[in-house]
Amino acid sequence: DAGITQSPRHKVTETGTPVTLRCHQTENHRYMYWYRQDPGHGLRLIHYSYGVKDTDKGEVSDGYSVSRSKTEDFLLTLESATSSQTSVYFCATTQGGDTQYFGPGTRLTVL
Amino acid sequence: QKEVEQNSGPLSVPEGAIASLNCTYSDRGSQSFFWYRQYSGKSPELIMFIYSNGDKEDGRFTAQLNKASQYVSLLIRDSQPSDSATYLCAVDNTDKLIFGTGTRLQVFP
Repeated sequence: DAGITQSPRHKVTETGTPVTLRCHQTENHRYMYWYRQDPGHGLRLIHYSYGVKDTDKGEVSDGYSVSRSKTEDFLLTLESATSSQTSVYFCATTQGGDTQYFGPGTRLTVL
Repeated sequence: QKEVEQNSGPLSVPEGAIASLNCTYSDRGSQSFFWYRQYSGKSPELIMFIYSNGDKEDGRFTAQLNKASQYVSLLIRDSQPSDSATYLCAVDNTDKLIFGTGTRLQVFP
């Protein structure tokens, strides 16, 4: 398995506060992805990165931004958290752009 | 919009039976197909991938791909209670994957 960690693993925050989730990988994979998973919706892509400083939007990018200043780190920021962003967030990586390996997830609750 | 569809289940099978999980996709240009298993409260883990039409076997798992029918399936032989999980089908989409919503499998003793 790719060495992927996510922090924090659990977070409770209040509406309107900024939140940053971190994904760290030790595999030197080129591609990194942020998903959210909600009941009935499956995994939905928020943003992804195909290299340092190279990012693009996924299907549910509104309200989220990302940054990748180093190969190993991919940050997801909720500028002003809303209750609709309560979810489980997964990071995934791949070298070749197809087979993805997932981190352990972050459970975020926005009150 | 490109889609991947799965029956949400639950699919209930007795221990020792064959479980058959199915997935259809909309993009005829898709080349790579993946099955992930996700236990409750855990992250998805890759079980198998398949690129070519036909069958691919790995232990108790067989992936089947039919590009003409835009259909991919996963067979689990000799199902065990430990196979109880949600199975996610994923299809490639230019450096990304599109996931189905998953099929929940329950294997009862």
